[in-house]
Amino acid sequence: AQTVTQSQPEMSVQEAETVTLSCTYDTSESNYYLFWYKQPPSRQMILVIRQEAYKQQNATENRFSVNFQKAAKSFSLKISDSQLGDTAMYFCAFIGMNRDDKIIFGKGTRLHILP
Amino acid sequence: NAGVTQTPKFRVLKTGQSMTLLCAQDMNHEYMYWYRQDPGMGLRLIHYSVGEGTTAKGEVPDGYNVSRLKKQNFLLGLESAAPSQTSVYFCATSRGGNEQYFGPGTRLTVT
Repeated sequence: AQTVTQSQPEMSVQEAETVTLSCTYDTSESNYYLFWYKQPPSRQMILVIRQEAYKQQNATENRFSVNFQKAAKSFSLKISDSQLGDTAMYFCAFIGMNRDDKIIFGKGTRLHILP
Repeated sequence: NAGVTQTPKFRVLKTGQSMTLLCAQDMNHEYMYWYRQDPGMGLRLIHYSVGEGTTAKGEVPDGYNVSRLKKQNFLLGLESAAPSQTSVYFCATSRGGNEQYFGPGTRLTVT
């Protein structure tokens, strides 16, 4: 069974710093998707970034980028020039490529951006 | 485009009462899901549907029922609420095998 592990329950960084959130996963599949979701205090779950496993190039969305290491089954999220609005819970997630595969979420990392 | 909406946003129930949560989507997605989110537990899948008229059990289905009579709506029912069902409930949709889009959540308290 697939699992997703986020080893950092909580982190704090100063505004404008760069922060990296860790995520590892376990699967026997070769093709799959990985995601990072953000959940701010408003509770809304927002998709931050997605990565297809068959793409070697790391995904980037503005200040958010990932370091995808397929062999190591690692998928970390880097937030550059962090802003107060980045304060949120961040969830790493995995899903296989079959239509009926269900998404597997990690337990989350609570990130505090300090002024 | 409203995306994914949930009704109600908040609700307080007494033990033993029943209620239905409504999830509606205008994204024309086939797949719909109900999750509950509890502190330290992340998101746990309650029930899901792969299309109109279909439903299936997720990780924590006990005490809940669902129906998908129309493609755009997915209902989650609690027949006899218990304090253990106090949680935040999220609906999500997807095209299947891909990212999910979430509703704003419903905070339910059972006293």
